[in-house]
Amino acid sequence: QLQLQESGPGLVKPAETLSLTCTVSGGSISTPSCYWDWFRQPPGEGLEWIGSIYYSGSTYYNPSLTSRVTISVDTSKNQFSLRLSSVTAADTALYYCVRRTEDTNHHHYIDVWGKGTKVAVSS
Amino acid sequence: EIVLTQSPGTLSLSPGERATLSCRASQSVNANYLAWYRQKPAQAPRLLIYGASSRATGIPDRYSGSGSGTDFTLTISRLEPEDCAVYYCFQYTALPLTFGGGTKVEIK
Repeated sequence: QLQLQESGPGLVKPAETLSLTCTVSGGSISTPSCYWDWFRQPPGEGLEWIGSIYYSGSTYYNPSLTSRVTISVDTSKNQFSLRLSSVTAADTALYYCVRRTEDTNHHHYIDVWGKGTKVAVSS
Repeated sequence: EIVLTQSPGTLSLSPGERATLSCRASQSVNANYLAWYRQKPAQAPRLLIYGASSRATGIPDRYSGSGSGTDFTLTISRLEPEDCAVYYCFQYTALPLTFGGGTKVEIK
């Protein structure tokens, strides 16, 4: 059974860069039918898409964050990573990595979630 | 960006009752690329429905999804205490991917 595990610092200072890694186990990140995404959920709020990556390295970002976001993939380690620069308190959230899998019409819905990792932005 | 508006914000019902949750999109969701997720406290969301009406593996048939275009519904036919959660709709027809604001289901 495929599992995702987020890792990274739980506390980041304002103006610094948030870095998280998602390790994929029980399956390969190089699956042609899947995308790998980051989402976040601020305390008491809803879910926001940050961006997606394909195993080939193609990336897609939320326009609201694109100037600060970089998502990368390391197929040799079966991992993908998130970097979010110039963070502020508004970036405090629970960060989830997810797998999006392909349906019969070649669109991709989320079918597997990591447990999430809390990141607080504070000095 | 496709904005998803969920209603009601909170639904308070008794065990055995039927819950009807609404998700309205600001523009048409092509080919019904809409999914529903359930999030219990301190847990990650779990997939319930994809393609507007297809149940995910392991989801009981008490859960059903319907709708097309801009109006979608999640129905829980006979509420059980374990259904207490926040339910989100999610569109994957276009980037940026977006979630609705959620409907909280409370069991009396």
